[in-house]
Amino acid sequence: GIQVEQSPPDLILQEGANSTLRCNFSDSVNNLQWFHQNPWGQLINLFYIPSGTKQNGRLSATTVATERYSLLYISSSQTTDSGVYFCAVSGTYKYIFGTGTRLKVLA
Amino acid sequence: DVKVTQSSRYLVKRTGEKVFLECVQDMDHENMFWYRQDPGLGLRLIYFSYDVKMKEKGDIPEGYSVSREKKERFSLILESASTNQTSMYLCASSLVGSTQYFGPGTRLTVL
Repeated sequence: GIQVEQSPPDLILQEGANSTLRCNFSDSVNNLQWFHQNPWGQLINLFYIPSGTKQNGRLSATTVATERYSLLYISSSQTTDSGVYFCAVSGTYKYIFGTGTRLKVLA
Repeated sequence: DVKVTQSSRYLVKRTGEKVFLECVQDMDHENMFWYRQDPGLGLRLIYFSYDVKMKEKGDIPEGYSVSREKKERFSLILESASTNQTSMYLCASSLVGSTQYFGPGTRLTVL
């Protein structure tokens, strides 16, 4: 099955810093999503991005499907950005999740 | 806004009990999913459904069953709860080939 690897596993930033999170996947996919899991466990959809580039405020994402990776950019990080960021991919119905990047933003 | 609700945020059950976890979505999505999340293991798919009365096994279906009698509702059933089923359970829904939306999760403890 498809393998999903996320890096780095852990990241600590000072408020205001920028960061890039990476998601590599082992096979071609039709669907790719980025999620943020907040401290209460809620998974919040950030981007649905099987290819191309999208931006939403301080966050943006790029997926290069032919090279099997996706990047999530966080600019001017805030303490509320803390949590775990997951990438999930699928060929059809079944999504495979990476193990996440745990981000801590310090005030 | 899409809304996915789950019947309980926290649940405590005893070994051997039958447990029902309910999930309801209000956006007429065809697909619904049940995952469990455990530290160090990430999210793993238990079952999914792509239509009413249709279901497919995910990666870890053992010890679980599901029911989808109506499009908006997808139930996860633990026939005889065991301590290794203590976990966070997350429900999601989506249109075909589109964004998944998650519920708030149910933290289940089996004693």
